[in-house]
Amino acid sequence: RKEVEQDPGPFNVPEGATVAFNCTYSNSASQSFFWYRQDCRKEPKLLMSVYSSGNEDGRFTAQLNRASQYISLLIRDSKLSDSATYLCVVNKAGGSYIPTFGRGTSLIVHP
Amino acid sequence: EAGVTQFPSHSVIEKGQTVTLRCDPISGHDNLYWYRRVMGKEIKFLLHFVKESKQDESGMPNNRFLAERTGGTYSTLKVQPAELEDSGVYFCASSQISSSYEQYFGPGTRLTVT
Repeated sequence: RKEVEQDPGPFNVPEGATVAFNCTYSNSASQSFFWYRQDCRKEPKLLMSVYSSGNEDGRFTAQLNRASQYISLLIRDSKLSDSATYLCVVNKAGGSYIPTFGRGTSLIVHP
Repeated sequence: EAGVTQFPSHSVIEKGQTVTLRCDPISGHDNLYWYRRVMGKEIKFLLHFVKESKQDESGMPNNRFLAERTGGTYSTLKVQPAELEDSGVYFCASSQISSSYEQYFGPGTRLTVT
């Protein structure tokens, strides 16, 4: 079983749609969780951290479910510019904050 | 503020040759990380520097890979001799403190070994 698993998609949605991605992780001792965004042939960029209480940043909402070991990302009112690959990142348990990346979920927002 | 820069952006070499990749982190960032993404796979951690010291090199594939960060500023990653399976995109990232969750990534070096 992979340490971090994501549905690769692609998710193909119209502008204005709401879309949700899930990510599961295998290490129950994982401490911190993130969503990164990666545009085609570009570097990953941090989209948001994910907290146990859930957090929201504009149209983006991230949730963490420790009991079930998954995190989610909800995008409301999708924009064309949201088209990208969304990477789920979980840090390895232990003293060093070394992230483990999922393979990413591809989102395509069309007019 | 300048971001993380990497050189070269692309490199095509033959199997058995040597390649050296360079990463310049954001000024003042003590933590520097190297990652690799092989086509179709997820981004994988290679190693982590804190200043000039290797904090964690558990992700280095084998002894053909050598990373250095002399003086705690820029870092180099040398592959010698390169093999076909070394092809991929090599990303460098930096962060101000190790517990800082936000790592800033460079644009990557696309390495092709033929």
